[in-house]
Amino acid sequence: NAGVTQTPKFRILKIGQSMTLQCAQDMNHNYMYWYRQDPGMGLKLIYYSVGAGITDKGEVPNGYNVSRSTTEDFPLRLELAAPSQTSVYFCASRPSASGSNQPQHFGDGTRLSIL
Amino acid sequence: ELKVEQNPLFLSMQEGKNYTIYCNYSTTSDRLYWYRQDPGKSLESLFVLLSNGAVKQEGRLMASLDTKARLSTLHITAAVHDLSATYFCGWGAQKLVFGQGTRLTINP
Repeated sequence: NAGVTQTPKFRILKIGQSMTLQCAQDMNHNYMYWYRQDPGMGLKLIYYSVGAGITDKGEVPNGYNVSRSTTEDFPLRLELAAPSQTSVYFCASRPSASGSNQPQHFGDGTRLSIL
Repeated sequence: ELKVEQNPLFLSMQEGKNYTIYCNYSTTSDRLYWYRQDPGKSLESLFVLLSNGAVKQEGRLMASLDTKARLSTLHITAAVHDLSATYFCGWGAQKLVFGQGTRLTINP
């Protein structure tokens, strides 16, 4: 199984450029998440989705947008990139069933530098 | 507001010793996760705790959950160097947030 797949793995952007980080999962999970992890720090939730067509803000949503048109895909859009958005971005997914003992599965991350 | 706090944030210990990482959370929810992260890598699931009093063990790691105290612990028994990593707890139902992480260094 592929699990959670993130692309690209690395990217360098110039200030003011925009880009989309891709995330796809093949486990039919309803819940999907985007986190950022700054160097030496913990994970901060950017946006999350509980199903196709439903998204909600996390702890640090400013400067980002998301969409969820299918169960499988949850892209993260950066508009007008700023140096403060230099980080490692992780996508994750998990089943929605109450009482499920399945963990949240993480992708390998996208390392983004904005110069 | 959903908050998760871990302590300590940094822990340096000798092989063979025991220690505990604490995870406090602010509101009730239905599950707690423990993850391990090695430098430059993604997060690896260790435990999922679903109910009050839940205890899970894998090798030298044991996790427990006390929902009344809003506290989870990750206990390390007879630490070995291979357990050096950063450990995160995560909490929430739909909205899932993580603690700051505990950077654990185990010295030979």
